[in-house]
Amino acid sequence: GAGVSQSPRYKVAKRGQDVALRCDPISGHVSLFWYQQALGQGPEFLTYFQNEAQLDKSGLPSDRFFAERPEGSVSTLKIQRTQQEDSAVYLCASSLEIPGQAEAFFGQGTRLTVV
Amino acid sequence: RKEVEQDPGPFNVPEGATVAFNCTYSNSASQSFFWYRQDCRKEPKLLMSVYSSGNEDGRFTAQLNRASQYISLLIRDSKLSDSATYLCVVNGPQGGKLIFGQGTELSVKP
Repeated sequence: GAGVSQSPRYKVAKRGQDVALRCDPISGHVSLFWYQQALGQGPEFLTYFQNEAQLDKSGLPSDRFFAERPEGSVSTLKIQRTQQEDSAVYLCASSLEIPGQAEAFFGQGTRLTVV
Repeated sequence: RKEVEQDPGPFNVPEGATVAFNCTYSNSASQSFFWYRQDCRKEPKLLMSVYSSGNEDGRFTAQLNRASQYISLLIRDSKLSDSATYLCVVNGPQGGKLIFGQGTELSVKP
């Protein structure tokens, strides 16, 4: 496909369970972002990659959150020991160049519900 | 104080109305500015970039005031299809992350 693809689209996890969310960016896009969006709020920045390098992880809310992009393409966001406050939509975006110089395209998101 | 602030609305307007959204940002080192649109349960999509000289795209006009750290979006002759949440976006000081406001919800009624 031509767009950013995220999987799964929906995930229900029991509290304490580990989850892994996948993002397939647009081919050739250098920059990749993860955002967390709670209901009625704007997307909150989690982390940013330029190729395989994680340049900013200042938005990760705790050490239970971990992201990787080992080959500079597909990225995985992992949440360990999920808590109810982790329930949100997790959005991935990619951009051809560094942010601010090219449009960021978003995937449809993964809706995580922790019960 | 949040880095990007918007009036959350909702703004309820009739078709054909002109509506203006405002946004302020806290980091004077920010260099790039955007308006994104997000439909209900959909992903955000770029509406337009915002340039210092101001820019227009059809019914949409965006303006930037760097001195006041203020961004605006004006929608003229609003359509039912303009109903969405409008997100003000600013890039971070090192040019890395894009920082989103909480969004302003617009509902255009017939």
